[in-house]
Amino acid sequence: EVQVLESGGGLVQPGGSLRLSCAASGFTFSGYAMSWVRQAPGKGLEWVSGIRGSGGSTYYADAVKGRFTISTDNSKNTLHLQMNSLRVEDTAVYFCAKGMGIRNFDLWGRGTLVTVSS
Amino acid sequence: QSALTQPASVSGSPGQSITISCTGTSTDIGRYDYVSWYQQHPGKAPKLMIYDVNNRPSGVSMRFSGSKSGSAASLTISGLQAEDEADYYCSSYTTTNSVIFGGGTKLTVL
Repeated sequence: EVQVLESGGGLVQPGGSLRLSCAASGFTFSGYAMSWVRQAPGKGLEWVSGIRGSGGSTYYADAVKGRFTISTDNSKNTLHLQMNSLRVEDTAVYFCAKGMGIRNFDLWGRGTLVTVSS
Repeated sequence: QSALTQPASVSGSPGQSITISCTGTSTDIGRYDYVSWYQQHPGKAPKLMIYDVNNRPSGVSMRFSGSKSGSAASLTISGLQAEDEADYYCSSYTTTNSVIFGGGTKLTVL
């Protein structure tokens, strides 16, 4: 079955760190761009970061640049998002998404909730 | 960069057609034919409905269609059905190698 499954969310204090993971299956992981998209409670979608297939270039939204790092482990078909210096406004459900390039997303996970609060 | 502009809500009766607009700028919709539309039901993950302005992924109903003119795009749903009631988001690739979403439109089927 073609799917992506996120993990690693949880409650963290402002200024803290968290690492999200996304396990992919059913497709050639290294051949596709992958992205993280988040959705704050009751709000709309916000693209966070993307990485091109085969360990290619990385891209970030201005809101997370310098704090978040996207990476892949092609040996484990896994996407990661290292989130440092977390802020209250980073609270959201984080979705992993497979893309056609980083311009659109044709496969989404169910999301993992990140709550930044003291 | 500000979000793309969508109406907060639209509504229609079963069988009717509705159109959701999405307005951007010369640095996103106006620059690239990389507009996508997503459907999201409450508590669910988004689903790609239209990509690259007017292309439907396999399995998406022909009732869904997209178009673009200048810096604005639109999604049309014909033959409205109860299961179409959801939130809809547009998105576009941008000149800064990022993706920008619209604020979302809540579709109500009366």
